[in-house]
Amino acid sequence: QVQLQQSGPGLVKPSETVSLTCTVSGASITNDHWSWIRQPPGQGLEWIGHIYYSGGNINLNPSLQSRVSISVDPSRNQFSLKLISVTAADTAVYYCARETVKIVAKTPKNSYHYYFMDVWGSGTTVIV
Amino acid sequence: DIQVTQSPSSLSASVGDRITITCRASQGISTFLNWYQQKPGKAPELLIYGAFTLQSGVPPRFSGSGSGTEFTLTISSLQPEDLATYFCQQSYSDFPRTFGPGTKVEIK
Repeated sequence: QVQLQQSGPGLVKPSETVSLTCTVSGASITNDHWSWIRQPPGQGLEWIGHIYYSGGNINLNPSLQSRVSISVDPSRNQFSLKLISVTAADTAVYYCARETVKIVAKTPKNSYHYYFMDVWGSGTTVIV
Repeated sequence: DIQVTQSPSSLSASVGDRITITCRASQGISTFLNWYQQKPGKAPELLIYGAFTLQSGVPPRFSGSGSGTEFTLTISSLQPEDLATYFCQQSYSDFPRTFGPGTKVEIK
C-alpha cells in the first residue's frame, strides 16, 4: 500500500522560503510522477507542479514557476517543494500526491496515456 | 491553459436521490478527465479517471461519462457518506493540470 507522509513548517514569515517534504512508502520514487497541489482556505485546488525522476522531467505551473522548485532524494525515497518569497496569498493546505499513468490501447497503433493522482498525503497547513 | 468549470457550485439532495454534476473544459480534452471527492477536512481521493473508469474500491453508485468538452459525474443513490466537495481535473497533454472549482454536495 502506497503512503505519503508530509512534513514541514506550518508558519512562515512573509518573504521567507517554505520547504515541504513528502516521504513515500510502498513505492519507489524513481517511478511515476510526484506532484504538489495546494488549496487556499475555503477555495479549490491549484496544481503546483510535478517531477518524474527517471525521465528527468519537471513541469511547473507557469503562475508559480518563478518561485517554485521541486526535487527528489531517491536515497530517502522523498520529494520536496521549495517556494520562495512567500506572501499571505501562499497561505494554503499543501498536498503531495502520486500521479500515475494507465495506458489504454485505442487501436493497434495508438494508445492513450491517462494520468491521475491516485495517492495523496494528508496535507500540511502553511500559514504566512 | 485549459480552463475547467463545474456546475452547480453546490447542491442539496436527500438520501437515495440521483444527482449529477457537470464539468466543462475550455477546449476538447477527449476523455482525459478525472474526478475527485474531498470530504471535510480531508485530502482529495480519486473517484474516476479517464472520464468513466472507476478507481478500485469506489462504490458502483458513482459513474462518469462524457468526452470532448462536457463531462458528468453521477451518484445514482446518494448516501450520507457522500457529503463532500467534488472536483474534476483535466490531464490532457498540456500543462498545467487544472481543476474545476468544485461542487459541494450537502445532504438534506
